[in-house]
Amino acid sequence: AQKITQTQPGMFVQEKEAVTLDCTYDTSDQSYGLFWYKQPSSGEMIFLIYQGSYDEQNATEGRYSLNFQKARKSANLVISASQLGDSAMYFCATWSGATNKLIFGTGTLLAVQP
Amino acid sequence: KAGVTQTPRYLIKTRGQQVTLSCSPISGHRSVSWYQQTPGQGLQFLFEYFSETQRNKGNFPGRFSGRQFSNSRSEMNVSTLELGDSALYLCASSYTGTSGRSSYEQYFGPGTRLTVT
Repeated sequence: AQKITQTQPGMFVQEKEAVTLDCTYDTSDQSYGLFWYKQPSSGEMIFLIYQGSYDEQNATEGRYSLNFQKARKSANLVISASQLGDSAMYFCATWSGATNKLIFGTGTLLAVQP
Repeated sequence: KAGVTQTPRYLIKTRGQQVTLSCSPISGHRSVSWYQQTPGQGLQFLFEYFSETQRNKGNFPGRFSGRQFSNSRSEMNVSTLELGDSALYLCASSYTGTSGRSSYEQYFGPGTRLTVT
């Protein structure tokens, strides 16, 4: 069975600074994917970034990068140059190919302060 | 290309009633998944539909059901509502290739916020 653990219920960061959101995972799949989603107060889940287990390089998408450490089973999200609009819940997730579903962590609430 | 749409966006129901939520996937997407999000249980997978068939199901009681139409639109139904069914219900669609394998890229709708009183 797959499991995602996010140990930070909430985080504060100053505007323009970088912040790292932690995520560890547990899976028995040989091939798997890891995701980060952003959920603003409106409720919609916004896809941010994806890392495949066989990707040798860390994924990057604009200000988002995923620090993938396979041996440690961690997939931390790094947001550079934080903006006020980054304030939201952030969810780490993994994809179960066997059941076609995303398995989510409990989320981290990020607050960006001016 | 239009995104995933869900209707209604907000709903208030009374215990014991039943409710139907609707989801229209992105054009060309044939797989539709439903998730329930509550403060206590977080995000949990309800079920997935593909080609009008339920392909996968999460661990929810039989009061939760769904269906998919030939145009890939999906509905989920909750009968005999309980207070604990108050949640944000999210629908996601993804592309499925000719092999029947769905892409991991799930596109979410804005959700339906259900309140049961």
